[in-house]
Amino acid sequence: EVQLQESGPGLVKPSQSLSLTCSVTGYSITSNYWGWIRTFPGNKMEWMGYISYSGSTAYNPSLKSRISITRDTSKNQFFLQLNSVTTEDTGTYYCARKLGGFDYWGQGVMVTVSS
Amino acid sequence: DTVLTQSPALAVSPGERVSISCRASEGVHSFLHWYQQNPGQQPKLLIYKASNLASGVPARFSGSGSGTDFTLTIDPVEADDTATYFCHQTWNDPTFGGGTKLELK
Repeated sequence: EVQLQESGPGLVKPSQSLSLTCSVTGYSITSNYWGWIRTFPGNKMEWMGYISYSGSTAYNPSLKSRISITRDTSKNQFFLQLNSVTTEDTGTYYCARKLGGFDYWGQGVMVTVSS
Repeated sequence: DTVLTQSPALAVSPGERVSISCRASEGVHSFLHWYQQNPGQQPKLLIYKASNLASGVPARFSGSGSGTDFTLTIDPVEADDTATYFCHQTWNDPTFGGGTKLELK
């Protein structure tokens, strides 16, 4: 069974970088697309970006100057880095597999940006 | 951005049929997907590419539409269907609707 698990710090200071890891089991990240999505209070959901089976990336234009998604195929993990965070980046961050829609999701990790 | 517009909330009685709409600000062909999310849980894919039932999803759920107007139908509604439903398009840079909270009367 495909399983995804996010990990990373739950608290980040403003202006610093947010770094999260998505560990995937049951499926190779060298197939399909793998994304990061975040949700905010009030049900707003935002696609952040993808990394593809080949390692190419696509990012939400609103985040393009601050975001990087990379991977380690030997560990079957992919990573999110979001730079220069502000309190507006507080939310729950999910990693997910894209096959049509996002068909497998991690449990999510809540990240608070606060000093 | 392709904006997806959903009604904020609906209330329906168990056993009835409910249709949840999603309107796109520009055409997205059939690249429209539906999710169910309960509080504190990750979203669950229900329908992909407008009308295809995701694996393990009961046949009470169905999707229709293309272009700019899409509908998720639940028939009949059961108590466990109380949740927030999101639409999501992947034709352009991906975006999500604001969600429709389904409540039972």
